[in-house]
Amino acid sequence: SQKIEQNSEALNIQEGKTATLTCNYTNYSPAYLQWYRQDPGRGPVFLLLIRENEKEKRKERLKVTFDTTLKQSLFHITASQPADSATYLCALVYSSASKIIFGSGTRLSIRP
Amino acid sequence: DTAVSQTPKYLVTQMGNDKSIKCEQNLGHDTMYWYKQDSKKFLKIMFSYNNKELIINETVPNRFSPKSPDKAHLNLHINSLELGDSAVYFCASSSRGSAYEQYFGPGTRLTVT
Repeated sequence: SQKIEQNSEALNIQEGKTATLTCNYTNYSPAYLQWYRQDPGRGPVFLLLIRENEKEKRKERLKVTFDTTLKQSLFHITASQPADSATYLCALVYSSASKIIFGSGTRLSIRP
Repeated sequence: DTAVSQTPKYLVTQMGNDKSIKCEQNLGHDTMYWYKQDSKKFLKIMFSYNNKELIINETVPNRFSPKSPDKAHLNLHINSLELGDSAVYFCASSSRGSAYEQYFGPGTRLTVT
């Protein structure tokens, strides 16, 4: 069965550094790979998505890469700020949203 | 304006009861979902509806039944509640045209005692 793994449960980095989160999956590549942010007590908020045929997407301080050979996506936050502290989730979306799988999340803490 | 709303926000009930959670979206999306997030924060899809048609029906007990009266609403009815049903339930919606980026509701925290 399809599996998805986010590299670490928690990541602590210094303000101003680049945070890099990893999402690995098995078997088939999804049509879309999405990244969400979730704050305590709230629903996930969509950040970025990347399509199967794309290598990299950027949005302000965020960058996502997608390597279908390695079956891996990397999510980068540059010039990190304490306000970036949250749990980040990756999600695999298969064609026509016939299957959607979320990773268990990485809790990111940015210390001043 | 609230994009995806759920009611109630908190639900405390006893084992064996039947309860419903309501969800509404005002984004004009054609697909709606129900997710369960357990105590370990793992978010798992339960159901997906597109234009009132069931698309995804993951392995959940048949005590859970989604009902979509129209494209803007997807309600979740749960019969014979069990302790293991305690979790946060999220409703979400998306559109095919936007690569299924999902907008989530604020969640309903269900506690079964």
